[in-house]
Amino acid sequence: EAGVAQSPRYKIIEKRQSVAFWCNPISGHATLYWYQQILGQGPKLLIQFQNNGVVDDSQLPKDRFSAERLKGVDSTLKIQPAKLEDSAVYLCASSHAFTSSNEQFFGPGTRLTVL
Amino acid sequence: AQSVAQPEDQVNVAEGNPLTVKCTYSVSGNPYLFWYVQYPNRGLQFLLKYITGDNLVKGSYGFEAEFNKSQTSFHLKKPSALVSDSALYFCAVRSNSGYALNFGKGTSLLVTP
Repeated sequence: EAGVAQSPRYKIIEKRQSVAFWCNPISGHATLYWYQQILGQGPKLLIQFQNNGVVDDSQLPKDRFSAERLKGVDSTLKIQPAKLEDSAVYLCASSHAFTSSNEQFFGPGTRLTVL
Repeated sequence: AQSVAQPEDQVNVAEGNPLTVKCTYSVSGNPYLFWYVQYPNRGLQFLLKYITGDNLVKGSYGFEAEFNKSQTSFHLKKPSALVSDSALYFCAVRSNSGYALNFGKGTSLLVTP
């Protein structure tokens, strides 16, 4: 089966600019996650969707970050305006069902550099 | 809050020797624990999970992990390390809300020939 797809793989922008990332989860996976991984740290959840509804966005900096999953399939994560501290790898993951035991499948990530 | 700690930034092992990557957890209720591996420029790959049952969990690529409730640990192990095992390893615990994962900071494993 095809894995989680993400684009772009790399992005370099200047601070205060806007950027958007795209994720296409594994077919049939109802749950989608966006994680932020800062260099030297483990991934941190930004937002979780179940189909097209938000389950958890408590750690999403809502003044600058937004995400949507309109049709319950692919998703976009946007940063506007970007700050230097947003430099990180943004990982998208999906899982088959909304259960505690299901493992998550991760995409390759988008590496963002903010200058 | 559910959390895990990985006390070692780096583990160095000679090829053919057994390896252990340490993880301790702090949870309320029953822990749901996971190990993932990350190779350079690639996404995280699932290795194994502990939900319930046998304390010794077997996973991908010959890895296994031992769940120890009294020591609140979930160490990753492999009897004989390969150079290709060199990567970044993350321990994670399921959060109480929404089933997302809370990750440790990662341990870099270096296996030398």
